[in-house]
Amino acid sequence: EDKVVQSPLSLVVHEGDTVTLNCSYEVTNFRSLLWYKQEKKAPTFLFMLTSSGIEKKSGRLSSILDKKELFSILNITATQTGDSAIYLCAVDPGTYKYIFGTGTRLKVLA
Amino acid sequence: GAVVSQHPSRVICKSGTSVKIECRSLDFQATTMFWYRQFPKQSLMLMATSNEGSKATYEQGVEKDKFLINHASLTLSTLTVTSAHPEDSSFYICSAVQETQYFGPGTRLLVL
Repeated sequence: EDKVVQSPLSLVVHEGDTVTLNCSYEVTNFRSLLWYKQEKKAPTFLFMLTSSGIEKKSGRLSSILDKKELFSILNITATQTGDSAIYLCAVDPGTYKYIFGTGTRLKVLA
Repeated sequence: GAVVSQHPSRVICKSGTSVKIECRSLDFQATTMFWYRQFPKQSLMLMATSNEGSKATYEQGVEKDKFLINHASLTLSTLTVTSAHPEDSSFYICSAVQETQYFGPGTRLLVL
């Protein structure tokens, strides 16, 4: 059965800390891995990763994929209270029918 | 980027009534749309795949007679929660596909 597992499930840090969120997957087919940030409404897109070893970066956020070890990490440096959210990882098996992980709930304290 | 809207954003209804939620792709056409449900502090749970011009495909455990999906055009899919009960209260999110999924802002349903 295809599955996506995220860790940790929740995390509390202080402003300025760096965090690393993990996403591992076991799927029959793989097209891409996606990261989303969800606050009070629907998820907002962060990154789409298709190739191993190529880091994607946007401001303080970055992500990388390892297709051999079947995982991805999302890094957030110099965290701010506005980074508090649920971070969702999803895998597209090639059908656009994503397989979502359970999410990591991040809380950044001032 | 592609924009997806949902209407209404929030609805409160009495038990036994039906509620229709609309999902529109505003600047692109989407053959495929997805409907999700999300409980507090949980991830997205896929309910069904909506395909324009054909019947929706429902995930295991989702009652198709309870959650009616219509994808009548390439820019509109609707989810109707029929005879709603308090346990149907949830956050419903749609997405439309154009090379990737673009999510609507969600609809918060409260059934009294």
